[in-house]
Amino acid sequence: AQSVTQLDSQVPVFEEAPVELRCNYSSSVSVYLFWYVQYPNQGLQLLLKYLSGSTLVESINGFEAEFNKSQTSFHLRKPSVHISDTAEYFCAVSSPNSGNTPLVFGKGTRLSVIA
Amino acid sequence: DAEITQSPRHKITETGRQVTLACHQTWNHNNMFWYRQDLGHGLRLIHYSYGVQDTNKGEVSDGYSVSRSNTEDLPLTLESAASSQTSVYFCASSEYGETEAFFGQGTRLTVV
Repeated sequence: AQSVTQLDSQVPVFEEAPVELRCNYSSSVSVYLFWYVQYPNQGLQLLLKYLSGSTLVESINGFEAEFNKSQTSFHLRKPSVHISDTAEYFCAVSSPNSGNTPLVFGKGTRLSVIA
Repeated sequence: DAEITQSPRHKITETGRQVTLACHQTWNHNNMFWYRQDLGHGLRLIHYSYGVQDTNKGEVSDGYSVSRSNTEDLPLTLESAASSQTSVYFCASSEYGETEAFFGQGTRLTVV
């Protein structure tokens, strides 16, 4: 079975400061990894994903995440946050080995950007 | 544009009543999923379907059922609503072999 642990439930950070949201996963098979973002009163949107190849993946709005197989981690980072980044962020895992396994989500991290 | 829509967006119901939440997608995706979102638990999988007439139980399926009679719709039924089923429900879809899932806007259900 797969599982995801998001180590921080809430992360407050000042505007223009860097941020890291931590994610660790557990799986006995190879994985696909995802970060989804949920803005207030909205559904989830895909932020970025790791499928294979380069372990560093980037989003269009400045976030990046690095797949670290030895540490089973997929931490999300941004060098300088904006007020508009305030949202809940979910890390998720699925497996490429079984066709279309449903996403397994972590409990989420609420990022609050302070002006 | 293709989309996935949930209805209603908000619903209040009484304990013991049967409730059905609708999910309709125009992506023509084979895969559809229902999750519930609760504070401190993140998103947990209720049921999912890989195609017409296919349904599968997820992590928290007790008290819920789904049926898939066509590609576009996967309604979620609460057979006898309980206060523990007060939650925000999200429907999602994806294409077979593709990795990205698209989510609806959610349905906030309150059971009183």
